[in-house]
Amino acid sequence: DAGVTQSPTHLIKTRGQQVTLRCSPKSGHDTVSWYQQALGQGPQFIFQYYEEEERQRGNFPDRFSGHQFPNYSSELNVNALLLGDSALYLCASSREVRASNTEAFFGQGTRLTVV
Amino acid sequence: AQSVTQPDIHITVSEGASLELRCNYSYGATPYLFWYVQSPGQGLQLLLKYFSGDTLVQGIKGFEAEFKRSQSSFNLRKPSVHWSDAAEYFCAVGQGVTGGGNKLTFGTGTQLKVEL
Repeated sequence: DAGVTQSPTHLIKTRGQQVTLRCSPKSGHDTVSWYQQALGQGPQFIFQYYEEEERQRGNFPDRFSGHQFPNYSSELNVNALLLGDSALYLCASSREVRASNTEAFFGQGTRLTVV
Repeated sequence: AQSVTQPDIHITVSEGASLELRCNYSYGATPYLFWYVQSPGQGLQLLLKYFSGDTLVQGIKGFEAEFKRSQSSFNLRKPSVHWSDAAEYFCAVGQGVTGGGNKLTFGTGTQLKVEL
């Protein structure tokens, strides 16, 4: 089992540019969540995708958008990059089980640096 | 709104000594609680979780945590620390329709240093 895989591992972009980060969930998982972890901080929830729809969203601007594909993989897009978007972006996958409890498994993250 | 507080930013312990990392949460319903560990430049690895039932939960790598509803706490403990335990530790509370796998709110983390 490959676990949660993210690509790329590192990325450098210029202010104002757009970026796309990718995530493949753990086998058997159908729910993908994205988190932003600034240096020295805990991860902050960006949004979650299930059945190809955004189900929950954290306190992030519309510049942050995402997509989930039929194979459950997901993309995170950030437009008009700001210096403050520099962070480690973490993808987490889990299995949706009604009336039950599941845990999230995290990928290694994508380190985005905006210059 | 849910929140998590980890009062200790840095903790240093000697190898072989016991460890307790503090976590306090604020959540209106029954919380789903987690401890994750992160090594430098890496993702998060789940150490243990509490969903319901026995308030003392066992995790991987010899860690355990105790849920105390009256104190809104979920402190992480290990009886004897190993040098390889040096890392950053995050406490998190889960929210959502099915709880655990959904939106997680993290604390700011505790950086653990182990002295040989």
